[in-house]
Amino acid sequence: EADIYQTPRYLVIGTGKKITLECSQTMGHDKMYWYQQDPGMELHLIHYSYGVNSTEKGDLSSESTVSRIRTEHFPLTLESARPSHTSQYLCASTPGGQLNTEAFFGQGTRLTVV
Amino acid sequence: QKEVEQDPGPLSVPEGAIVSLNCTYSNSAFQYFMWYRQYSRKGPELLMYTYSSGNKEDGRFTAQVDKSSKYISLFIRDSQPSDSATYLCAMRNYGQNFVFGPGTRLSVLP
Repeated sequence: EADIYQTPRYLVIGTGKKITLECSQTMGHDKMYWYQQDPGMELHLIHYSYGVNSTEKGDLSSESTVSRIRTEHFPLTLESARPSHTSQYLCASTPGGQLNTEAFFGQGTRLTVV
Repeated sequence: QKEVEQDPGPLSVPEGAIVSLNCTYSNSAFQYFMWYRQYSRKGPELLMYTYSSGNKEDGRFTAQVDKSSKYISLFIRDSQPSDSATYLCAMRNYGQNFVFGPGTRLSVLP
């Protein structure tokens, strides 16, 4: 079982609120990712990080921001939640190096903005 | 055209059936091909990984990659109700990020 944890698992929040989705991994992996997953749709990469102090935007335009101050921690923040942000958010990590092949995923955070 | 297409399903089969799940892709540079299994309300977990073309077998699961046709498959033999999940194909090039298919939801009926 992967040692990557997301909190909260479920969140219902009102429009305009600021929220932070937490992701931590204990595997010492350098690369971490945030994906958005809607039912029947592919995972969309919204942010990733190569390591501490590295953050990159993914393929999907997002109003969220991320930070990577510690190797094990990669939180995602929405400054002002909107109903269009309702989705499942998945955090993942891979070991460093070019040949990493397996992404380890957290359980996901299911966000509902009302 | 999406970079990775996957049979949408959903797919329902009786217990013991052979299941075939398929993906096609457009980027000929992909070299690493993976199948992830995702149970309801869980994150995806790696099921099979294949580098370049060829077959790989692991118990009841066989992954096939045909790079000339840009086509990958996952076969499940003697399917079990515990195999009921969404199956995601994923692929990537050397040093690049993963590209995932939309997933196929499989139900194996007892």
